[in-house]
Amino acid sequence: KNQVEQSPQSLIILEGKNCTLQCNYTVSPFSNLRWYKQDTGRGPVSLTIMTFSENTKSNGRYTATLDADTKQSSLHITASQLSDSASYICVVSASNYGQNFVFGPGTRLSVLP
Amino acid sequence: NAGVTQTPKFQVLKTGQSMTLQCAQDMNHEYMSWYRQDPGMGLRLIHYSVGAGITDQGEVPNGYNVSRSTTEDFPLRLLSAAPSQTSVYFCASSQTLSNQPQHFGDGTRLSIL
Repeated sequence: KNQVEQSPQSLIILEGKNCTLQCNYTVSPFSNLRWYKQDTGRGPVSLTIMTFSENTKSNGRYTATLDADTKQSSLHITASQLSDSASYICVVSASNYGQNFVFGPGTRLSVLP
Repeated sequence: NAGVTQTPKFQVLKTGQSMTLQCAQDMNHEYMSWYRQDPGMGLRLIHYSVGAGITDQGEVPNGYNVSRSTTEDFPLRLLSAAPSQTSVYFCASSQTLSNQPQHFGDGTRLSIL
């Protein structure tokens, strides 16, 4: 069964600190992996999209890594800000016909002053 | 650009009532989708469309209908609301399904009493 797991479920850090969120998947065949940020009461917003051949992609203070061999990805947030408080969702796309996105349950990040 | 616009933002229904959730995008995207988001779970696909006049079922289509008469609009109809349909509903659009991000609306929060 295609699944995406994320850890931790929630995380609290102090402003200015770094953190890393984890994503493990069992989706096959693999097409790409996406990270989204979802603020409370809003829809998800795309941060990065990585294909099989990419192992690192950055978007400002957000850096995603992908290890397709171990089927793991991480999202590293550098020098956190209060506005980083949100849920971060890992999504894996299977290379089948039609729409086949498998969404993880998300990690809830709280950045405290 | 407004992006993806969903209306209403909040709705309370009684069991057995019907209603239509509206979704419109102004990016000329071919692909549009409806998801539901429940606590502790990843987003689940209800229905999707690959262009005007073409729709298909997702993972959890029962109790919902869709139509796509124009590129811009993709309404979701609840035929006879049930408490199990209490959820947050998100509409998304994208230019392609491959390596382009999905753009999400801000959701409709629906409660069925």
